[in-house]
Amino acid sequence: EVQLVESGGGLVQPGGSLRLSCAASGFTFSSYSMNWVRQAPGKGLEWVSQISSSSSTIYDADSVKGRFTISRDNAKNSLYLQMNSLRDEDTAVYYCARDREQMAYWGQGTLVTVSS
Amino acid sequence: QSVLTQPPSVSAAPGQKVTISCSGSRSNIGNNYVSWYQQLPGTAPKLLIYENNKRPSGIPDRFSGSKSGTSATLGITGLQTGDEADYYCGTWDSSLSAYVFGTGTKVTVL
Repeated sequence: EVQLVESGGGLVQPGGSLRLSCAASGFTFSSYSMNWVRQAPGKGLEWVSQISSSSSTIYDADSVKGRFTISRDNAKNSLYLQMNSLRDEDTAVYYCARDREQMAYWGQGTLVTVSS
Repeated sequence: QSVLTQPPSVSAAPGQKVTISCSGSRSNIGNNYVSWYQQLPGTAPKLLIYENNKRPSGIPDRFSGSKSGTSATLGITGLQTGDEADYYCGTWDSSLSAYVFGTGTKVTVL
């Protein structure tokens, strides 16, 4: 069974940093592209970033370019999102999701709250 | 500001059919596969349709997808109270080099 479990969310002040993790199991992690998708309270889905299976290709949404960095460790079956210079508008539930052309599997999400 | 436009809401009585449209452009829907996602209240999204019209294992055939030009449509027949959820289309945008989601549609069963 495919499982994606996010962690690392919490309360952070504007301008601060946070690192999210996503632990994957039930499939060959190193064979799939992975994504981060977020959802602000009461709002729709917003794609954040995508990394290819070998980390050779990375795409980022304009809203996070230069502030967020996606990475992965295939030996640990883990996906990461380093978030720096956080803003109020980054407050959201962050989901990790598998695959490139469709988000076939999703984690349960981790809440990031940016507030002073 | 999403590049994929969906109606904010649709509704119908139990057993009836609803359709949800997703309008885009050549750089996204026009040249890439469309997926549809269902998000039940308080839960993570779930893949309903991929590659325009394919259903993952376990998704009932009451759900169907189609694409024509720069638009896509999700159909739900035999509407059930358990289908009350938010639905999103999604696809890759070749010009933006980004995955884009639709604005989302809330389905209400009357």
